[in-house]
Amino acid sequence: AQTVTQSQPEMSVQEAETVTLSCTYDTSESNYYLFWYKQPPSRQMILVIRQEAYKQQNATENRFSVNFQKAAKSFSLKISDSQLGDTAMYFCAFMKPLPNFGNEKLTFGTGTRLTIIP
Amino acid sequence: EAQVTQNPRYLITVTGKKLTVTCSQNMNHEYMSWYRQDPGLGLRQIYYSMNVEVTDKGDVPEGYKVSRKEKRNFPLILESPSPNQTSLYFCASSSGGMGETQYFGPGTRLLVL
Repeated sequence: AQTVTQSQPEMSVQEAETVTLSCTYDTSESNYYLFWYKQPPSRQMILVIRQEAYKQQNATENRFSVNFQKAAKSFSLKISDSQLGDTAMYFCAFMKPLPNFGNEKLTFGTGTRLTIIP
Repeated sequence: EAQVTQNPRYLITVTGKKLTVTCSQNMNHEYMSWYRQDPGLGLRQIYYSMNVEVTDKGDVPEGYKVSRKEKRNFPLILESPSPNQTSLYFCASSSGGMGETQYFGPGTRLLVL
């Protein structure tokens, strides 16, 4: 079974600074997908970024980027120029696709609570 | 607007009183799933459905039932709720393609007394 570990329960950073959230996972699969979801105080789960394991290039979405190290099974999220609206719980998640159907469950880490300080 | 909706958003009930949390999506997605979120545990999958009339257990299915009679709806049923089912529940859907992103509903906060 896959496991996802987020070793930083809480983090805080000054507005406009850069912050990196760590995530490691354990799997024997070679093909899989990784996600970062953001959960603001509204509790809504919002997709931040998605990475396909077979792609060498790290995914980026505006101020959000990842550092994907497949051999080390590491998938960290970097937030640049942090904003007050980035205050949220961040979840790292792993998905192993099924061969005949396509989708399997997301396995989530326990989350990192990020606070952006004005 | 493409979305996943859940009802109710908040629910307080008592032990043993059957309840249903509804989930509906308007994206014609084949894959739907239920998760529960508990402090310190992240989100864990309860049940999922690959298509109409096709459902299967996730990691924590005990005490829950689901059905998928229509493509757009995937209700979660608690036949006899207990206090350990107090949690935040999310429904999610995706197109079902390999590695496709799952889109989440707004969540249902359930308190079982």
